[in-house]
Amino acid sequence: EIVLTQSPATLSLSPGERATLSCRASQSVSTYLGWYQQKAGQAPRLLIYDASNRATGIPTRFSGSGSGTDFTLTISSLEPEDFAVYYCQQRSNWPLTFGPGTKVDIK
Amino acid sequence: QVQLVESGGGLVKPGGSLRLSCAASGFSFSDSYMSWIRQAPGKGLEWLSYITSRGAIFYVDSVRGRFTISRDSAKNSLYLQMNSLGAEDTAVYYCATVFGPGYSYGYGDFWGQGALVTVSS
Repeated sequence: EIVLTQSPATLSLSPGERATLSCRASQSVSTYLGWYQQKAGQAPRLLIYDASNRATGIPTRFSGSGSGTDFTLTISSLEPEDFAVYYCQQRSNWPLTFGPGTKVDIK
Repeated sequence: QVQLVESGGGLVKPGGSLRLSCAASGFSFSDSYMSWIRQAPGKGLEWLSYITSRGAIFYVDSVRGRFTISRDSAKNSLYLQMNSLGAEDTAVYYCATVFGPGYSYGYGDFWGQGALVTVSS
């Protein structure tokens, strides 16, 4: 099973600041890595698929990069609605697995 | 628009069974890969099961042999039969469409609102 590790666990930032979230895989997943945003009481929303592709309707302030075992989600300038938990997920191997999440909260 | 509506959640005793349903609309259900994903209270996400449009099925080890995924294209519905439930199965269960360009597996594209399953005596 591929284990995904996310860092930091919590990121405290102010609106307008840049957020950089990391996801590391226990073995290569090529570029088969996605990112989700989840707000309290809601289902997750797919933001990025295959490392760097924005899903439909996702604002351009969200971007993803990486390949192999190391991936980054960047939010260029935090909007108030961006404070949430972010999960990475690999689709390289079954079982599909998620990272433990990074909470982005307001400083 | 795509809609997924789960039903069938509730309180069940340890060792009991429950069947979740997911009513789908707004897309071609018969052509879509579907999945069940759960989230224990205050915890992360766990991908449980995956069914392709042709009926190939995958389960994570923690539910294999206890849970059964199925689909009925005539009813545009996805199901999860859950047997031998334990406290560790307490979670919100989401059904989701799968988006997976050019590869066997994918991502959760559209999600339902979730169904809460509580296993407790």
